[in-house]
Amino acid sequence: EAEVAQSPRYKITEKSQAVAFWCDPISGHATLYWYRQILGQGPELLVQFQDESVVDDSQLPKDRFSAERLKGVDSTLKIQPAELGDSAMYLCASSFRDGASGANVLTFGAGSRLTVL
Amino acid sequence: AQTVTQSQPEMSVQEAETVTLSCTYDTSESDYYLFWYKQPPSRQMILVIRQEAYKQQNATENRFSVNFQKAAKSFSLKISDSQLGDAAMYFCACSIQGAQKLVFGQGTRLTINP
Repeated sequence: EAEVAQSPRYKITEKSQAVAFWCDPISGHATLYWYRQILGQGPELLVQFQDESVVDDSQLPKDRFSAERLKGVDSTLKIQPAELGDSAMYLCASSFRDGASGANVLTFGAGSRLTVL
Repeated sequence: AQTVTQSQPEMSVQEAETVTLSCTYDTSESDYYLFWYKQPPSRQMILVIRQEAYKQQNATENRFSVNFQKAAKSFSLKISDSQLGDAAMYFCACSIQGAQKLVFGQGTRLTINP
């Protein structure tokens, strides 16, 4: 079964350092999402791509976060500099549109857990 | 913008019993979709069930079913014959046609007692 690949699974860094996460969506999925999930809470959207274009980055802290999907396939999320409050799980998802229902069905990766010391 | 509220932070049920998880949502759109996702400890989030708002019939997937009350903007998940493997965080989510993104609730932690 096709999966969304993410790396690294775990990352520990000190505040003010740079950190990057990588995501490879399911082949053929044009839409890619980065969500942030703080422990015990629901995921919140950081950025959404349609192919290589940003569709929604309204909740992305642009002073320190950046995301790119240069060739419309895999994507990188970067944080520089990292702050203590950035400790969270970073989830990548990709989606297809179900032709019968019209629903956009998201498949999530295993996530990258970031700890900032 | 849509919002999703899960008022039960934690629920527990005896193995083989039935449990219902609650969810309410708010959207001004008429064309939207509702989802329940399951997130087991240290494992990835997986789709449990989905409901199209234009369908009156409640969705079912094996032991999982929903009670979709459109007028009340309520979307509860019923798990029948609970199994130990059902223990997880359950998230209710909503997406509107065109926007594609999912908006999630805060989650309900479900514990299954043997």
